Amino acid sequence: EVQLVESGGGLVQSGESLRLSCAASGFTFRIYWMSWVRQAPGKGLEWVANIKQDGSEKYYVDSVKGRFTISRDNAKNSLYLLMNSLRAEDTAVYYCAREYSSSWRYFDLWGRGTLVTVSS
Amino acid sequence: QSVLTQPPSVSGAPGQKVTISCTRSSSNLGSHYDVHWYQQLPGTAPKLLIYDNNNRPSGVPDRFSGSKSGTSASLAITGLQAEDEADYYCQSYDNSLSSLYVFGTGTTVTVL
Repeated sequence: EVQLVESGGGLVQSGESLRLSCAASGFTFRIYWMSWVRQAPGKGLEWVANIKQDGSEKYYVDSVKGRFTISRDNAKNSLYLLMNSLRAEDTAVYYCAREYSSSWRYFDLWGRGTLVTVSS
Repeated sequence: QSVLTQPPSVSGAPGQKVTISCTRSSSNLGSHYDVHWYQQLPGTAPKLLIYDNNNRPSGVPDRFSGSKSGTSASLAITGLQAEDEADYYCQSYDNSLSSLYVFGTGTTVTVL
């Protein structure tokens, strides 16, 4: 089955760190750009970061630059998000998403998400 | 960061047609960027609904259709059904320097 499964979420204090993981299965993980997208409680979707197939390019939304690091291990079919210096405003469900490339990329496969709660 | 503005909510009776707009606010237009749409049923992850302005992935009913003109896009749902109650988001490339992708503000569709 083609799927993405996130893990690693939880309750942390402001300023602490957390590492999210996303396990991919059922498709050739190494040929896709991958992203993290988050959704604060009761709010809309916000793209957070993405990474190229070989890990050589990474992009971040301004609000997490310098604090979050995206990485991947193609041998393990896994995507990661290391989140440092967490803030209350980082509280959200974090989704792992596969990017599909046509002319402009979109997200054609999503995981179920993992909840990160940052307590101030 | 660019903003894609959607109406907060739309509603319709079963069988009716509803339309959701998605308008880019950035002054540098970005009219050549494709728009994609996602459906998020309550308590679930988003699901791709329309890609490249007007294409449906396999399995998406043809009741859903997309269109784009200039810096605005629309999602139409014809023959509205109870199971269409969900949040809908448009998404596109962000032509600012603060992000790579931008999602719309989201629209809740209510079936009366």
